[in-house]
Amino acid sequence: EPEVTQTPSHQVTQMGQEVILRCVPISNHLYFYWYRQILGQKVEFLVSFYNNEISEKSEIFDDQFSVERPDGSNFTLKIRSTKLEDSAMYFCASSEEGITYNEQFFGPGTRLTVL
Amino acid sequence: SQQGEEDPQALSIQEGENATMNCSYKTSINNLQWYRQNSGRGLVHLILIRSNEREKHSGRLRVTLDTSKKSSSLLITASRAADTASYFCATDANTGTASKLTFGTGTRLQVTL
Repeated sequence: EPEVTQTPSHQVTQMGQEVILRCVPISNHLYFYWYRQILGQKVEFLVSFYNNEISEKSEIFDDQFSVERPDGSNFTLKIRSTKLEDSAMYFCASSEEGITYNEQFFGPGTRLTVL
Repeated sequence: SQQGEEDPQALSIQEGENATMNCSYKTSINNLQWYRQNSGRGLVHLILIRSNEREKHSGRLRVTLDTSKKSSSLLITASRAADTASYFCATDANTGTASKLTFGTGTRLQVTL
């Protein structure tokens, strides 16, 4: 069964460093998303991406964040200068359709630890 | 309450019993989805129910949606130890091109032998 994959599973970085989190969405999906979950808190929406551009972003997704689909399979989230509060589990998701009827399928997550 | 609030926060039952979790939300929605998350792991999609649907079944799962009360329930019948996990409802109320899920706080389900 097709699934969303993410690498790495765990990333440890120093504050101020750049990190790139990678995702391979399900191949026939057209919509891509990033969410994050700070330990013990709710899963929060970061950004949605469709047709090679951002559809919507949350207030969390500031200028330090960017997303890219560099090729036909990968979808990346870059954090330019990490902060301690960026420590969280980051989930990539994809869906075949946009709204109305869109099951979003999530990857296993990347645990980001900022020291 | 916030968009997507589940209750109870925690539920402990014995194997074979049914587990019912509830979710309330505040705004009109396109659909509501339920997810399972094992400790520290990813989110597994369980079921989606559209705003014009009232009930859906999938295996041992039964989901209901009452848009007049802005609430949903997830029933797991004949629970198993492997059902032990956190369960989240997520609402999609977006009007843009892509969806945006708003997750609840989750219900931690413990199924004991």
